[in-house]
Amino acid sequence: DAGVIQSPRHEVTEMGQEVTLRCKPISGHDYLFWYRQTMMRGLELLIYFNNNVPIDDSGMPEDRFSAKMPNASFSTLKIQPSEPRDSAVYFCASSLAALPETQYFGPGTRLLVL
Amino acid sequence: AQSVSQHNHHVILSEAASLELGCNYSYGGTVNLFWYVQYPGQHLQLLLKYFSGDPLVKGIKGFEAEFIKSKFSFNLRKPSVQWSDTAEYFCAVPHYGGSQGNLIFGKGTKLSVKP
Repeated sequence: DAGVIQSPRHEVTEMGQEVTLRCKPISGHDYLFWYRQTMMRGLELLIYFNNNVPIDDSGMPEDRFSAKMPNASFSTLKIQPSEPRDSAVYFCASSLAALPETQYFGPGTRLLVL
Repeated sequence: AQSVSQHNHHVILSEAASLELGCNYSYGGTVNLFWYVQYPGQHLQLLLKYFSGDPLVKGIKGFEAEFIKSKFSFNLRKPSVQWSDTAEYFCAVPHYGGSQGNLIFGKGTKLSVKP
């Protein structure tokens, strides 16, 4: 299996622009997670889905962030409008089942908002 | 709320030295515990995990961790590190209560191994 696929790998944008991050989970995995990694706050869960349905979005920082999972093989995380403090590495992960099943992480998207 | 503490922010060792990275968690009930590793420029990978049974868990690349319930600890060990072990190491626990779907990660410990 190709593993979790994320695109783009790097994104540089200007403040105020819309940013869309994409994720393709491992085939057959029912859970998909979006994490954000920063130096200050470490790894934080933003939102996760089970069978394409958002289960917990309490980690989404504010209304500028939204996530969708239109089907089992694709998810997006959108930031509109973007701000410099959104600069971080965004990871997508998927798992076959609920915890304590292993979560498999994608390579991440490194976002820089100028 | 549950929390995970990794007290060592940055550890520097020479090759062949022994390694022990601390991890303490706050949840008092049945726990599952994970160690993930992030090599430079790469994504997180699972090193090992504890579900139940033998508290000494062996993972990939010669790593092991011991679950000590009385100390709320799950320290990661390796008897002899290599330069290729240079990475950041994260301890994690599931979020018990609430939606129970996600992991809570520690802040990570950066390991630098000098050749």
